[in-house]
Amino acid sequence: DVQLLESGGGLVQPGGSLRLSCAASGFTFSDYAMSWVRQAPGKGLEWVAAISGSGGTTYYADSVKGRFTISRDSSKNTLYLQMNSLRAEDTAVYYCAKNGGLRFFGYMDVWGKGTTVTVSS
Amino acid sequence: EIVLTQSPGTLSLSPGERATLSCRASQSVSSSSLAWYQQKPGQAPRLLIYGASSRATGIPDRFSGSGSGTDFTLTISRLEPEDFAVYYCQQYGSSPTFGQGTKVEIK
Repeated sequence: DVQLLESGGGLVQPGGSLRLSCAASGFTFSDYAMSWVRQAPGKGLEWVAAISGSGGTTYYADSVKGRFTISRDSSKNTLYLQMNSLRAEDTAVYYCAKNGGLRFFGYMDVWGKGTTVTVSS
Repeated sequence: EIVLTQSPGTLSLSPGERATLSCRASQSVSSSSLAWYQQKPGQAPRLLIYGASSRATGIPDRFSGSGSGTDFTLTISRLEPEDFAVYYCQQYGSSPTFGQGTKVEIK
C-alpha cells in the first residue's frame, strides 16, 4: 500500500524554525518527484515546493523562496521541509504528496494526512 | 504564474442531480496539464482527474473531466451522498497552482 506520513508540526514563535518530515512507503521513492502543499485554516490549497526524484532539482513558491528548503533522503525514504524565518501567514496544515507520472511538475496522486504548523507568539 | 479561477464558489444540488464545475486559467495550460481533487472536511485531498480527462485509479465513472487551453470542466453525472465536498483544480504545466475551490453542498 502506498503511504505518506508527515511529522514535525507544532507551535513555533514568529522568526523560528521547524523541520517537517514525510516517511514514504509502498513505492520506489527515488523514482518520483515529491511536493509539499499547505492549507491555511479555512482556506484553499497552496503548492509550496517540489523536488525531483534524484533530489538534484528543487523549485519553490515565491511566498517561501529563501526561507524554506525541500530535501530528500532516499536511503530513508523520507522527504523533508526545513522552514526558517517563520511568519504568522505560514500557519497551515502541511501535506506531502507524491507526484504522479514522471514529470517534475505533476499532479499529486498520493497525499499524506498532513501535519499542522502554527506560528504564533 | 497561471491563475486558476473556479466557478461557482458554491453549488447547491440534491443527490442524483448533475454537477458541472468550471476552472478557467489566466493563460493556456500546456499539454492539458490539469487535475481535479476532492477534499472532505478534516481529510487530505484526493486525486480525481489528471491530464484534464483521465480518471485516477478507483474513481467512479460518474466523475468526468473535459477541456483544454484555458477552460476546463469537472462533471459529476449523478451526485451520490459522498460526493458533497470541496473540489479544486490544479495546473501543472508550469509552477503548480490551485484554484480557490468549489463547494458542492446538499440543497
